[in-house]
Amino acid sequence: EVQLLESGGGLVQPGGSLRLSCAASGFTFSGYAMSWVRQAPGKGLEWVSATVGSGGKTYYADSVKGRFTISRDNSKNTLYLQMNSLRAEDTAVYYCANLNYYALEYWGQGTLVTVSS
Amino acid sequence: QSALTQPRSVSGAPGQSVTISCTGTTSDVGGYNYVSWYQQHPGKVPKLMTYEVTKRPSGVPDRFSGSKSGITASLTISGLLAEDEADYYCCSYAGTYTWVFGGGTKLTVL
Repeated sequence: EVQLLESGGGLVQPGGSLRLSCAASGFTFSGYAMSWVRQAPGKGLEWVSATVGSGGKTYYADSVKGRFTISRDNSKNTLYLQMNSLRAEDTAVYYCANLNYYALEYWGQGTLVTVSS
Repeated sequence: QSALTQPRSVSGAPGQSVTISCTGTTSDVGGYNYVSWYQQHPGKVPKLMTYEVTKRPSGVPDRFSGSKSGITASLTISGLLAEDEADYYCCSYAGTYTWVFGGGTKLTVL
């Protein structure tokens, strides 16, 4: 059974940093590209970032480029999202998901990030 | 990276069919056959319903079908059930390993 479990969310002040983790199990983690998607309270889904199976290439939405960094440790079956220079508009539930056939196949339960003073 | 355009809401009676549209551009929906649809019940995790425009993952009922014409993709749900009431999001590959979502459509089963 595929499982994705995010952690690391919480309350952070504007300008602060946070690192999210996504622990994967039930599939060959290194064989799949992975992605982060977020959802602000009461709002729609927004694609944030993706990385290929090796982690050698990374991609970002314009809204987070230069502030967020996606990475992965295939030896630990874990995906990360380092978030710096956080803004109020980054407040959201952050989901990790694997990419298969250019779709977000399985999703984690999400972790809430709140940026507020 | 502008969001795809979906109607804010649609509705239908049990047993009827509804279609949700998703309009993009030639750089996303119109440029690739990589449109997917997601169902999200309140407080729940999004669930993949269709991918590569028309394909369904194992376990998704064939009442859900996807299509595309030009820059507009559609999700049709036939034989509406009360449990289909949810938010639906389209998503398209937009090139260079980036994706774009629609704003979401709230489906109400009357």
